[in-house]
Amino acid sequence: GAVVSQHPSRVICKSGTSVKIECRSLDFQATTMFWYRQFPKQSLMLMATSNEGSKATYEQGVEKDKFLINHASLTLSTLTVTSAHPEDSSFYICSVTGPINNEQFFGPGTRLTVL
Amino acid sequence: QKEVEQNSGPLSVPEGAIASLNCTYSDRGSQSFFWYRQYSGKSPELIMSIYSNGDKEDGRFTAQLNKASQYVSLLIRDSQPSDSATYLCAVNISPGGGADGLTFGKGTHLIIQP
Repeated sequence: GAVVSQHPSRVICKSGTSVKIECRSLDFQATTMFWYRQFPKQSLMLMATSNEGSKATYEQGVEKDKFLINHASLTLSTLTVTSAHPEDSSFYICSVTGPINNEQFFGPGTRLTVL
Repeated sequence: QKEVEQNSGPLSVPEGAIASLNCTYSDRGSQSFFWYRQYSGKSPELIMSIYSNGDKEDGRFTAQLNKASQYVSLLIRDSQPSDSATYLCAVNISPGGGADGLTFGKGTHLIIQP
């Protein structure tokens, strides 16, 4: 499978600030990466599809101006939560589609807490 | 709208027994099916993938798919306490070779009793 890293693993910020989360595919060149969000005791919800060299595709209900995605290389996608608010506090997880049959491999996740 | 349904549990199974986890999905166009294990506070870990009707075995795990009934299941044989986790069912409507995000169920919380 694919090995995926995320940074930071945990971040606490004040309301109104912006936070950038990095997702790296360490052993596989990924033209597509995915960003998910998981609230406590809920399942993962797909936020957006990150496409290398082009604009991200956002799921219905996800504000593209609030969650900025940049996929500038085949190994790195970033998610920036702009003007974060307490309701944005969540577990953000990225994934990469491996080389076999759409199997997706997840990064370790970033736990965001907005005060 | 794509939906994936799972019984949230908790499902309690004695150590050494077979744990049976079930999942139904609404989109008949779904092509790929996955089971993930998620420990508390961690990200999901892929356990099994299945793409065609029937059974697929990998070690102590067996995935079963019935597209006509829109049903997928996971059996865990010889359950161990370390299998205690939340098991997420996920589906993908993209044909093999494409890349599409996954739709997840809410997960079944499995407890293996020593």
